[in-house]
Amino acid sequence: GNSVTQMEGPVTLSEEAFLTINCTYTATGYPSLFWYVQYPGEGLQLLLKATKADDKGSNKGFEATYRKETTSFHLEKGSVQVSDSAVYFCALSDSGSGYALNFGKGTSLLVTP
Amino acid sequence: DTGVSQDPRHKITKRGQNVTFRCDPISEHNRLYWYRQTLGQGPEFLTYFQNEAQLEKSRLLSDRFSAERPKGSFSTLEIQRTEQGDSAMYLCASSLFSGVGSYNEQFFGPGTRLTVL
Repeated sequence: GNSVTQMEGPVTLSEEAFLTINCTYTATGYPSLFWYVQYPGEGLQLLLKATKADDKGSNKGFEATYRKETTSFHLEKGSVQVSDSAVYFCALSDSGSGYALNFGKGTSLLVTP
Repeated sequence: DTGVSQDPRHKITKRGQNVTFRCDPISEHNRLYWYRQTLGQGPEFLTYFQNEAQLEKSRLLSDRFSAERPKGSFSTLEIQRTEQGDSAMYLCASSLFSGVGSYNEQFFGPGTRLTVL
């Protein structure tokens, strides 16, 4: 079945540092890939998406590229801010289970001033 | 605010009691999903509806769980004879599904946190 594996946290970075959160997936078909973010006390929000191989999703300075050859969708940001402190979830969906999302365990990010 | 809403936000109950949660999706959305999230884990799919029809249930949804979506609007998730292992955040999401191959962005509600004592 489908699965998502992402690097374990917590990740602690200083403001303006470079961020990478690794995500790899296993899927039988051609899934869409997502990064969701959960800020403290808030609900899950879609951060970015990619629906086919080689697509790059981007939003708020975050980027991730759908790499079919390495089955990866790593999240990157060139310069993190304190306000980026949150939990980040990598997820995939395909036509199975009505396009329900299959999430990784989440990676907690803390950015210090 | 026209986002997904859930009620209650928090529920504390004793083992063996029944609980019911409500989800109000974005009004024009035809799909509604329920997920469960335990501490330190990502959300896990429970079930989904297209309009009023419940189309799939995961193996996580035991016989004690039942979900409905009358008239294709709001949805309820009921847990009967709650157990301590049911303690989790229950998340609802909705989307506008326009056919196979179409993009299906899901919008999440804030969740209902259940604590079973």
